[in-house]
Amino acid sequence: EADIYQTPRYLVIGTGKKITLECSQTMGHDKMYWYQQDPGMELHLIHYSYGVNSTEKGDLSSESTVSRIRTEHFPLTLESARPSHTSQYLCASSDSPTGVNGYTFGSGTRLTVV
Amino acid sequence: QKEVEQNSGPLSVPEGAIASLNCTYSDRGSQSFFWYRQYSGKSPELIMSIYSNGDKEDGRFTAQLNKASQYVSLLIRDSQPSDSATYLCAVNSPMDSSYKLIFGSGTRLLVRP
Repeated sequence: EADIYQTPRYLVIGTGKKITLECSQTMGHDKMYWYQQDPGMELHLIHYSYGVNSTEKGDLSSESTVSRIRTEHFPLTLESARPSHTSQYLCASSDSPTGVNGYTFGSGTRLTVV
Repeated sequence: QKEVEQNSGPLSVPEGAIASLNCTYSDRGSQSFFWYRQYSGKSPELIMSIYSNGDKEDGRFTAQLNKASQYVSLLIRDSQPSDSATYLCAVNSPMDSSYKLIFGSGTRLLVRP
């Protein structure tokens, strides 16, 4: 049973709309991550957080923003959605500061911007 | 050179055969190594982790690590069509203080009935 939850699972939205993708985990993990993945392509890290009030940009430049006000919650926001934002967004968390136990992934949000 | 390299495949094996998936990494200081399975349209699922040289077995899966050669592999015995998926190799890299996992681009495995 998943301990990291993403909502919505699927989202179709019009260009220019503001959207927030939700990610919550019940494991008390400090480190959380957002990845973007196009079908059949590799994972790209777009944001990560080491804990409350800590956020960093990842390796892939993204127009999205994130916040970490509570340990369990790491939402991702797109202020103005564009068709180029169409992708799968995966949230993950880790219980170890050094990643020694790997990451646990949520089930993902598949976003389509029309 | 990518930090974690995998052959993209597809690797096609008949049902019941051994599938061998390989991964090389560039950072000699890496300490933790993982294999994730990702079905099409789904999120990655951790199936194996390995931390020291040698073999680690879990059911039909065996992970092998050779730090001197900077090489990690995953063997799947008695492959089943349900094993058809993309397998991601991930390496814990202390190259920067963030200790992020570095993922390979994945190898697609097809198990033919």
